[in-house]
Amino acid sequence: GIQVEQSPPDLILQEGANSTLRCNFSDSVNNLQWFHQNPWGQLINLFYIPSGTKQNGRLSATTVATERYSLLYISSSQTTDSGVYFCAVGTGGGNKLTFGTGTQLKVEL
Amino acid sequence: DSGVTQTPKHLITATGQRVTLRCSPRSGDLSVYWYQQSLDQGLQFLIQYYNGEERAKGNILERFSAQQFPDLHSELNLSSLELGDSALYFCASSVPRGGGYGYTFGSGTRLTVV
Repeated sequence: GIQVEQSPPDLILQEGANSTLRCNFSDSVNNLQWFHQNPWGQLINLFYIPSGTKQNGRLSATTVATERYSLLYISSSQTTDSGVYFCAVGTGGGNKLTFGTGTQLKVEL
Repeated sequence: DSGVTQTPKHLITATGQRVTLRCSPRSGDLSVYWYQQSLDQGLQFLIQYYNGEERAKGNILERFSAQQFPDLHSELNLSSLELGDSALYFCASSVPRGGGYGYTFGSGTRLTVV
């Protein structure tokens, strides 16, 4: 099956700093989503982005499908950004997703 | 509130027992997905239903089964429970919107098998 690798596995930031999270995948995809799992376990959909660039407030994402990677940018980080960020990809029909192992982010004051 | 409702939020049960987890998808969503999140396996796809029909199957054990009812809610049945089945079980729903297939997750059911 498709492999999804995320880097870095762990990241500690000072509040106000910027960061870039990366997701590499091993095959062509027709579905790519970024999620944030907060410290309470809730999974929040950040972006549906199988290709191109999207922005939502301090977050933006870019997927370069031909090169099989996606980037999630977090600007002016806040403590509420802490948690685990997952990239998930889908291939073919059916819409099921394969998740990466995540990036654990901690934002400190 | 994401619009996807999962019950119960927590469940503690003994080995060998059977439990049922329930999921109500977001209004208008036709697809329901079940995922298992454990410390050693990460987030694993179990099964998908679309409008009452099984659409895709992942790493779901034979002891586990699911169904989607005419009102589109779904149930995941876990039987002959083992300690290793302890995990967070998530339900998600989706429907094509403007060409997108974004998932909305419920808050999960934390299952502890003792």
